[in-house]
Amino acid sequence: EVQLVESGGGLVQPGGSLRLACATSGFTFSTYWMHWARQAPGKGLVWVSRINSDGSSIRYADSVKGRFTVSRDDAKNTLYLQMDNLRAEDTAVYYCARGNMVTTHYWGRGTLVTVSS
Amino acid sequence: QSALTQPPSASGSPGQSVTISCTGTSNDVGGYNYVSWYQQHPGKAPKLMIYDVSERPSGVPDRFSGSKSGNTASLTVSGLQAEDEADYYCSSYAYNNNVFGTGTTVTVL
Repeated sequence: EVQLVESGGGLVQPGGSLRLACATSGFTFSTYWMHWARQAPGKGLVWVSRINSDGSSIRYADSVKGRFTVSRDDAKNTLYLQMDNLRAEDTAVYYCARGNMVTTHYWGRGTLVTVSS
Repeated sequence: QSALTQPPSASGSPGQSVTISCTGTSNDVGGYNYVSWYQQHPGKAPKLMIYDVSERPSGVPDRFSGSKSGNTASLTVSGLQAEDEADYYCSSYAYNNNVFGTGTTVTVL
């Protein structure tokens, strides 16, 4: 069974940093593109980033470019999102998802990030 | 990276059909046959319902169908059931990124 479990969310002050992790199981992690998306409270889904299977192709939404860094550790079957210089508007549930370059097929349950002083 | 445009709400009675539109540009929806649709119940993770415009993942009922014409994609839910009441989001590949729609709340009357 495909499983994706996000962790690392919490309360952080504006300008602070957080590192999210997405632990996966039930599939060969190293062969899949992975994505991050987020959803602010009561709002819609927003795509954040994607990384290809070998980490050589990475893309970000303009809203997080230069502040967020996606990475993967195939030995640990885990996807990461390093979030720096956080802003109030980054407050959201962050989801990781397995897919390909053009879409996402399986999603985790998400982890809540709250940016507030 | 503007969000794709969806109507805020749609509704139908049990057994009826409802169609949701998703309008983008030639840089996303119109430029690629890579439109996906997701169903999200309150407090739950999104679930893929349609990919590559009209393909259904295994396990998704054939009541769900997708299509595209120009810069607008559509999701049709036929034979509405109570469990179809949820938020629906479209998504499209857009070369250097991916983009979601604004979301549509479907109500089963």
